[in-house]
Amino acid sequence: AQKITQTQPGMFVQEKEAVTLDCTYDTSDPSYGLFWYKQPSSGEMIFLIYQGSYDQQNATEGRYSLNFQKARKSANLVISASQLGDSAMYFCAMREGLGFGNEKLTFGTGTRLTIIP
Amino acid sequence: EAGVTQSPTHLIKTRGQQATLRCSPISGHTSVYWYQQALGLGLQFLLWYDEGEERNRGNFPPRFSGRQFPNYSSELNVNALELEDSALYLCASSNLGSEDNEQFFGPGTRLTVL
Repeated sequence: AQKITQTQPGMFVQEKEAVTLDCTYDTSDPSYGLFWYKQPSSGEMIFLIYQGSYDQQNATEGRYSLNFQKARKSANLVISASQLGDSAMYFCAMREGLGFGNEKLTFGTGTRLTIIP
Repeated sequence: EAGVTQSPTHLIKTRGQQATLRCSPISGHTSVYWYQQALGLGLQFLLWYDEGEERNRGNFPPRFSGRQFPNYSSELNVNALELEDSALYLCASSNLGSEDNEQFFGPGTRLTVL
């Protein structure tokens, strides 16, 4: 089974609207971390937001927020007031276990977001 | 503060040759990670180095290898190149002591195998 599933290969959103990018994950480890990265056409991966499995509140970073629903194993990224510069690939990733030796990230296949003027 | 740097930006090789990719982590970071991103796909974990030692390895053949130097910079070597090795290779670094151990990525090396 896929550990990270992103079901939206591409999305088109009008500028200034909010957008939700879906991510579901699969793990039996009670300790894990969830990450969202943005990859512009230049190729560099830009960290956006992090949610730990034990965090009680949803993570927020500026216009980015993470809608964490632990029982459903989903970690959707919400971008408020979208901007043209938000056009990029977005990847959801997971790190299983919080102890030393579990440092690799498992990535989803990504969602290509295009903001329309 | 300088970010993660990678060299070269682009690399063109032919089948059977060897490729060497280089990565310099953020100052103070001891862990370096390598990922492969084939065209149109997500990132696949390759290798993790910390304090000069290989700590974890992804599901890749032994011709993918690397090392980490005393200054924490790292090399990724790919021997006997195959056409399907063409990909963007991304290096990341992290500080294991941080709360979320966020990985900071470099700009990548685009390897093309002809």
